[in-house]
Amino acid sequence: KAGVTQTPRYLIKTRGQQVTLSCSPISGHRSVSWYQQTPGQGLQFLFEYFSETQRNKGNFPGRFSGRQFSNSRSEMNVSTLELGDSALYLCASSQGPTSNEQFFGPGTRLTVL
Amino acid sequence: QKEVEQNSGPLSVPEGAIASLNCTYSDRGSQSFFWYRQYSGKSPELIMSIYSNGDKEDGRFTAQLNKASQYVSLLIRDSQPSDSATYLCAVTRNQGGKLIFGQGTELSVKP
Repeated sequence: KAGVTQTPRYLIKTRGQQVTLSCSPISGHRSVSWYQQTPGQGLQFLFEYFSETQRNKGNFPGRFSGRQFSNSRSEMNVSTLELGDSALYLCASSQGPTSNEQFFGPGTRLTVL
Repeated sequence: QKEVEQNSGPLSVPEGAIASLNCTYSDRGSQSFFWYRQYSGKSPELIMSIYSNGDKEDGRFTAQLNKASQYVSLLIRDSQPSDSATYLCAVTRNQGGKLIFGQGTELSVKP
C-alpha cells in the first residue's frame, strides 16, 4: 500500500506571499492531520480533517487554513507568509475517528525569505 | 510545565545494550500513547502504540505505560547503530486526532 504523499517537497517563498501544500493520505484512510515542525517548537498540531470537515484546530493564527476533498486528499494554505513560518510541514493520515494511529508523509520543507 | 516532557539527550548507549527512553505527560485525560522514530532529515515513523497500563512488546521494542504516574517509556533491546535517531513521544485525548508531542530524545548507539 502506498504511503502518505506530500507535494511539493521543497518550497521557497518570500514574506507576504501565500502557499498551498498538498497531501494525499494512505488509500482507505479518511482522516488527515497537519503538523508544523521547527527546531525550537518541535512538532505542533495545526488541524485535522475527516469527511471534509475540520474536527480540531491547534493554536495557530487564522493565516493557516486547510480543507479536505471528497477523495480525502487535503490541502493547507498559509497566507501572508512570515519568516517564522519557515518549517517542515507534515501531513499524517489515519483510518478515521476511531483510530488514533497516524502515519506521516515525507513533509514539505518551506523556507520563507 | 510542558504537556509532554522528554529528556532531550543525547542518550548514548553501546551496541547490544538496552536503551531506555522516558516520557511524562500532564493531561490525565490522555487515552492513547505513541512512540515515533525520526531519522535526521526524515519524517516521524510510528513504531509503537499503547493504550492500557502495562507493557506491550513488539520485536526489540517494549512500551510501558503507567497512567497513575502519567509516565510512558520505550525500551529498545539489543540496540543497533541503525536505532540512532530521535524518538518522539506523543499522546492524545482521542479528540479530533490531535497528537501532542514531546521535544524528542536523541539516541546514539555506538558500535
